Amino acid sequence: RKEVEQDPGPFNVPEGATVAFNCTYSNSASQSFFWYRQDCRKEPKLLMSVYSSGNEDGRFTAQLNRASQYISLLIRDSKLSDSATYLCVVNRGYSTLTFGKGTMLLVSP
Amino acid sequence: GAVVSQHPSRVICKSGTSVKIECRSLDFQATTMFWYRQFPKQSLMLMATSNEGSKATYEQGVEKDKFLINHASLTLSTLTVTSAHPEDSSFYICSARTVHNEQFFGPGTRLTVL
Repeated sequence: RKEVEQDPGPFNVPEGATVAFNCTYSNSASQSFFWYRQDCRKEPKLLMSVYSSGNEDGRFTAQLNRASQYISLLIRDSKLSDSATYLCVVNRGYSTLTFGKGTMLLVSP
Repeated sequence: GAVVSQHPSRVICKSGTSVKIECRSLDFQATTMFWYRQFPKQSLMLMATSNEGSKATYEQGVEKDKFLINHASLTLSTLTVTSAHPEDSSFYICSARTVHNEQFFGPGTRLTVL
């Protein structure tokens, strides 16, 4: 089983739609969790950290379920500029990040 | 967020040559930097962890004699791909860790070995 698994997509949605991405991780000792965004041929950029209590940043909501080892990202009111690959990232200790392959999102007019 | 630069952004070289990539934290000191590699449509894979003033820690399967890492100062780490071959062609990305334990990524170096 891979350490971090994501549906690769692509998810094709119209502007204004709500879209959700899921991610599972295999190491129950993982300590912290993140969603990164990566545009084509660019470096990943931190979108948000993920906390057990759930957290929201504008149109983005992240949830963590430690018991199920499951992380989610919800994007509301999708914009064209949200088109990118969303990477689920798990910190397995000492700042060692493990990346999922990413889920591609394509938002169309 | 903090700024990390990488140089060069793109390099094309002949098989057998060595290529050096620099990673700099521009507005903060980074005791730890990380080197990743990403092949097309694949996830970022950690190659090694670079600690200032000490030897790098390499991930399993990464040859330390082929990928030389030097972290001589708190703002600079270098990765040298020695005797590069076409299979080394990839997107190499560094990241630097802040004192708050956040990681910021450089813009990446696209290496093409002919």
